[in-house]
Amino acid sequence: KQEVTQIPAALSVPEGENLVLNCSFTDSAIYNLQWFRQDPGKGLTSLLLIQSSQREQTSGRLNASLDKSSGRSTLYIAASQPGDSATYLCAVLNAGGTSYGKLTFGQGTILTVHP
Amino acid sequence: GAVVSQHPSWVICKSGTSVKIECRSLDFQATTMFWYRQFPKQSLMLMATSNEGSKATYEQGVEKDKFLINHASLTLSTLTVTSAHPEDSSFYICSARVAKAEQYFGPGTRLTVT
Repeated sequence: KQEVTQIPAALSVPEGENLVLNCSFTDSAIYNLQWFRQDPGKGLTSLLLIQSSQREQTSGRLNASLDKSSGRSTLYIAASQPGDSATYLCAVLNAGGTSYGKLTFGQGTILTVHP
Repeated sequence: GAVVSQHPSWVICKSGTSVKIECRSLDFQATTMFWYRQFPKQSLMLMATSNEGSKATYEQGVEKDKFLINHASLTLSTLTVTSAHPEDSSFYICSARVAKAEQYFGPGTRLTVT
C-alpha cells in the first residue's frame, strides 16, 4: 500500500528565506507527482506536476524535483513571502497496486512566513 | 489551469434531511471525477471515484447508500448526503481528471448538520 510522508509537519520562517519541503513515497510505481497548496477553508490549488519520467519542474519561485527510484520529491520555494503561508500537500498518482489510478496524499506541511 | 466548480460552497441542514452537492468541470471534459472528505487539520480522504455513465466505486468504509454519487455527464457529478447526521458535518471536495493527467480540485463545500 502506497504511503506518502511529508517532512516537516510545520515550518515557520522569516520573509525572504529560501526553503525546502520534503515528500517521500514507498511505492515507485507512479504516473506522476503533484504539489498542491491549500489555504484555510479552501480547496486545493495545483502548483506543479512532475511526470514519472521527469526530474524537475519549475514555476516562478517554485521548483519541484522528483527522484522516483529513491521515492523522494522536494519543493523548493525561493525568496518566501507572507502570501506563501498555507498548507502544502504532495500527492502521487499510483500506477499499480490497490490504489491504481488514485492519488495518495501526504499529511501536508503547514508553512508560515512571517514579515 | 482547468477550473472545477462546486455548489454550494457552504450549506447548513437539519439532521435527517438530504443535501446535494454539485461538481462541474467548467472548461474540460473529465473522464473521471473524485469525491474527498477532509476533517479539520487532516489530509484528504478519498470517498469514491466516478466515471461518466457508470456506477461510482466507493472506498472501503464509505456507505454507498448514504453518499449517493451520480455522474450524469463528462462535466457534472453530484454527491447527495442522505439522511444527514451531525457526524456527516465536514468539508467535501471534488476533483476531476482526464485520463492519467493532472487532477484539478474544486473549492470545497462546507456541510454543517444541526
